[in-house]
Amino acid sequence: EIVMTQSPATLSVSPGERVTLSCRASQSISLNLAWYQQKPAQAPRLLIYGASTRATGIPARFSGSGSGTAFTLTISRLQSEDFAVYYCQHYNSWPVTFGQGTKVEIK
Amino acid sequence: EVFLVESGGGLVQPGRSLRLSCVTSGFTFDDYAMHWVRQAPGKGLEWVSTISSNSASIGYADSVKGRFTTSRDNAKNSLYLQMNSLRPEDTALYYCAKDIGAWGTYFDYWGQGNLVTVSS
Repeated sequence: EIVMTQSPATLSVSPGERVTLSCRASQSISLNLAWYQQKPAQAPRLLIYGASTRATGIPARFSGSGSGTAFTLTISRLQSEDFAVYYCQHYNSWPVTFGQGTKVEIK
Repeated sequence: EVFLVESGGGLVQPGRSLRLSCVTSGFTFDDYAMHWVRQAPGKGLEWVSTISSNSASIGYADSVKGRFTTSRDNAKNSLYLQMNSLRPEDTALYYCAKDIGAWGTYFDYWGQGNLVTVSS
């Protein structure tokens, strides 16, 4: 099973700041990585797939990069609606697994 | 518009069974794999099971293998999760999620979740 490790666990930021979240895989997953956003009491929402392709309707301030074992999700200018928990998920092999999440909170 | 609506959750005693359902609309159900993902209170996301579009392939997390069974009825646009021998650690919000293709990759639509509480 591939282990996905996200860092940091919590990020305290101010609106308007640039945010970078990290996700590492225990072995190479090529570009087979997705990112999700989850707000309190809501279901997760797909943000990014293929490591860098934005899902339908996702604002351009969200971008993904990386390949192999190291990936990042960047939010260029954090807006109030972006405070949430972010999860990465690999789909390179079975079973698919999620990272433990990074909470982006208001500073 | 795509909708996924889960039902069937509730409070159940350890060792008992429960069946979750997920009724879908807004897409051609039998073209897509479907998944169950759960989230324990205050915790992260855990993949539970995947069923391919034609039910030929089904996968389970080790934590539920042998106890949970996933099935689908393409005529009813519905997904099911039969949960037997439930344990307190199965307590979670259970989401059904749609895959982007016929077999398991990532999830582009999610239901709102259905809470299962296993407690005596």
